[in-house]
Amino acid sequence: QQKVQQSPESLIVPEGAMTSLNCTFSDSASQYFAWYRQHSGKAPKALMSIFSNGEKEEGRFTIHLNKASLHFSLHIRDSQPSDSALYLCAASSGSWQLIFGSGTQLTVMP
Amino acid sequence: EAAVTQSPRNKVTVTGGNVTLSCRQTNSHNYMYWYRQDTGHGLRLIHYSYGAGNLQIGDVPDGYKATRTTQEDFFLLLELASPSQTSLYFCASSDLDTQYFGPGTRLLVL
Repeated sequence: QQKVQQSPESLIVPEGAMTSLNCTFSDSASQYFAWYRQHSGKAPKALMSIFSNGEKEEGRFTIHLNKASLHFSLHIRDSQPSDSALYLCAASSGSWQLIFGSGTQLTVMP
Repeated sequence: EAAVTQSPRNKVTVTGGNVTLSCRQTNSHNYMYWYRQDTGHGLRLIHYSYGAGNLQIGDVPDGYKATRTTQEDFFLLLELASPSQTSLYFCASSDLDTQYFGPGTRLLVL
């Protein structure tokens, strides 16, 4: 049974800072890795995803994947107050079933 | 962007009551999912389906039934609701990797 764990549980950063969120997974056969963002009172929304080892950048957001260490991360450059949200990582071993972590609550202070 | 709607948005019932949560997606996605979200647990998969008439068991299925009547419609049934099922319920749909979430149904079981 796949287990996905996130750290830290919560994080407060000043506006303009680099934010790093971490996720570990237990199934070495996992093939797909994603980050979702959920603003307060809203539905989760896909942010970024990756299939292969390495990194992928989209604007201020970068996702890193290291399958050997069972770890992937999300980095937010120049964090903005509008980035304040619950960030959920997820991994899939197939059958398009995502296993989500418990989330990191990010607060960006103006 | 994919459209997923849920009804009702809020529901209050009593212990032992019957509840049906509805989800509709209008993007012809094959996969539909039901999750519950509780503080500290992230999103936990209850049931999912990859087409009309198909049902797959998720990670926390006890006390829940589901039925996929059409490509568009996926229902979650609580036949004997218990206070432990008080939660925020999300439906999602996908066609391959990215999942698109509905706005959620907040259920309170007294």
